Amino acid sequence: GQSLEQPSEVTAVEGAIVQINCTYQTSGFYGLSWYQQHDGGAPTFLSYNALDGLEETGRFSSFLSRSDSYGYLLLQELQMKDSASYFCAVVSGGYNKLIFGAGTRLAVHP
Amino acid sequence: NAGVTQTPKFRVLKTGQSMTLLCAQDMNHEYMYWYRQDPGMGLRLIHYSVGEGTTAKGEVPDGYNVSRLKKQNFLLGLESAAPSQTSVYFCASSYQGLQYGYTFGSGTRLTVV
Repeated sequence: GQSLEQPSEVTAVEGAIVQINCTYQTSGFYGLSWYQQHDGGAPTFLSYNALDGLEETGRFSSFLSRSDSYGYLLLQELQMKDSASYFCAVVSGGYNKLIFGAGTRLAVHP
Repeated sequence: NAGVTQTPKFRVLKTGQSMTLLCAQDMNHEYMYWYRQDPGMGLRLIHYSVGEGTTAKGEVPDGYNVSRLKKQNFLLGLESAAPSQTSVYFCASSYQGLQYGYTFGSGTRLTVV
């Protein structure tokens, strides 16, 4: 089966950098995705890594190491609006079916 | 461009009642999905569809049925609601490639009493 592990909570201050780690166990790995979800809102897509390395999109970057079954989401120049839950997800078999981790709740303080 | 629209947004059911949740997307996506989200458990896949007229089971399909008669609509049915089905339900759709990710609807908060 598939499983993902990520920290349940992370706390940081405005302007800082935070890294949210994700380790996974899966058969037939296709890639690692990250989603953001604010309280009461819908998940929104942040990034997708199919190959090893770092992908950068503005203040957010995502990294994947397929050999280590590990990835992380890096958030720079933290803002209060970044306070949200962040989910890593892996594709389970075909048809883009995603298996989600339990999520990491990020709290950004002044 | 509305994206993915879910109706209703909130619903309270009595145990044993039935209901249908509607999901509509206007992005011409082939793939559509129904997830449920419970506290501390992330999102779990209930059913999915890879095209009009097709449906398949996900991780937690028991107690749910789905239909996709039109490409833009994906319906989730609860035939006999149980308190364990109290959850937030999200519909999502995607292109065949994952580089653009899923587009989620705003969710349906369902309480079964």
